[in-house]
Amino acid sequence: QVQLQQSGPGLVKPSETLSLTCTVSGGSINSYYWAWIRQPPGRGLEWIGHIYDSGITYYNSSLKSRVTISVDTSKKQFSLRLRSVTAADTAVYYCAAKVVTVGYGFDPWGQGSLVTVSS
Amino acid sequence: QSVLTQPPSASGTPGQRVTISCSGSSSNIGSNSVYWYQHLPGTAPKLLIYRNNQRPSGVPDRISGSKSGTSASLAISGLRSEDEADYYCAVWDDSLSGSWVFGGGTKVTVL
Repeated sequence: QVQLQQSGPGLVKPSETLSLTCTVSGGSINSYYWAWIRQPPGRGLEWIGHIYDSGITYYNSSLKSRVTISVDTSKKQFSLRLRSVTAADTAVYYCAAKVVTVGYGFDPWGQGSLVTVSS
Repeated sequence: QSVLTQPPSASGTPGQRVTISCSGSSSNIGSNSVYWYQHLPGTAPKLLIYRNNQRPSGVPDRISGSKSGTSASLAISGLRSEDEADYYCAVWDDSLSGSWVFGGGTKVTVL
């Protein structure tokens, strides 16, 4: 049973880079692809992007110029970097896993990380 | 403005049936499977429905999903207090280079 544990700072200054890591346990990293999803305060869920164990990535077009998702299969970790953050990037950030086979949803999810952008 | 349209709220008394709609287009719901998530405050979202109408193990059969054309719906029968939560539909959108899109979410209140 795959489990995800998120880590990273909860406060980031404007114009700096948000960095979060998700550690995978209990499963094979190459049976899934790995996603980041966020929820700004009072708003709905927003897909940020996802990565395959091969390194192939897909990004939300609205964030593509600022986002990098990477994977370290040896450490069973994947990471999110969001550059040049503003207050609009304040959100709860979730990592999530999705079975590569078409037809399966995001399951499981990490515990969520509230990241506040403020000076 | 979400690509998928959901009503902002829905409500019912215990035991009633509540239905939540999710409207999309040919590039998303019309072409791909729909997923539904339940989100309780302070917790991670939980997958309720995959592949339009399939329930993961542990999800009760009073929860059901359906899809027709470019719309989908989630039904909760025998409404219970623990069903009070936000519900989101999600689907892969084939437009441009592809992306996952979520509905705006529906807050279900148990009266």
